[in-house]
Amino acid sequence: NAGVTQTPKFRILKIGQSMTLQCTQDMNHNYMYWYRQDPGMGLKLIYYSVGAGITDKGEVPNGYNVSRSTTEDFPLRLELAAPSQTSVYFCASTHRTSGILEQFFGPGTRLTVL
Amino acid sequence: AQSVSQHNHHVILSEAASLELGCNYSYGGTVNLFWYVQYPGQHLQLLLKYFSGDPLVKGIKGFEAEFIKSKFSFNLRKPSVQWSDTAEYFCAVSPTGANNLFFGTGTRLTVIP
Repeated sequence: NAGVTQTPKFRILKIGQSMTLQCTQDMNHNYMYWYRQDPGMGLKLIYYSVGAGITDKGEVPNGYNVSRSTTEDFPLRLELAAPSQTSVYFCASTHRTSGILEQFFGPGTRLTVL
Repeated sequence: AQSVSQHNHHVILSEAASLELGCNYSYGGTVNLFWYVQYPGQHLQLLLKYFSGDPLVKGIKGFEAEFIKSKFSFNLRKPSVQWSDTAEYFCAVSPTGANNLFFGTGTRLTVIP
């Protein structure tokens, strides 16, 4: 199993550009998550999905959109990039059983908005 | 507000020193507890987890953590650190029934050879 994969690894955007961060998992996990990590701030949840066709906002959803058309894929969309979105983005997944939520993380995407 | 607190932002130790990193949470009900480690330039990996039973849990690489319910704490320990333990450590909490984890802000550990 490849686990959780993310593309691209690095990206530089200009203000106002858009892009999609890709996330794929091959563990048949039903739950998937997007986090952003900023220095000294820990991980902040952007969006999550409990299954195909179902998404919900996390702590910091503004400026982002997601979709979940398949179990495997959970892309994160930035429509109008802003410098405040400069961060490292991590995708994670888990298979929820009995409320246990051990999450498996992807390698991250480092995004810089100039 | 519900939260996870890691009071040590940056800890510097010499090799062979003992380590204890604090984690406190403010959720009142039943919780699942986790410690994740992030080595430089890498993604988060699970160190250990607590769901129920023995409050002293052992993880990988000689780490252990103790759940003290009365103190709402889940501190991470290692009796003798190595240079390779240099990393950032995150405590995370999942209240029973929640759909996600709540992370602390992390503690950066630097181990000096």
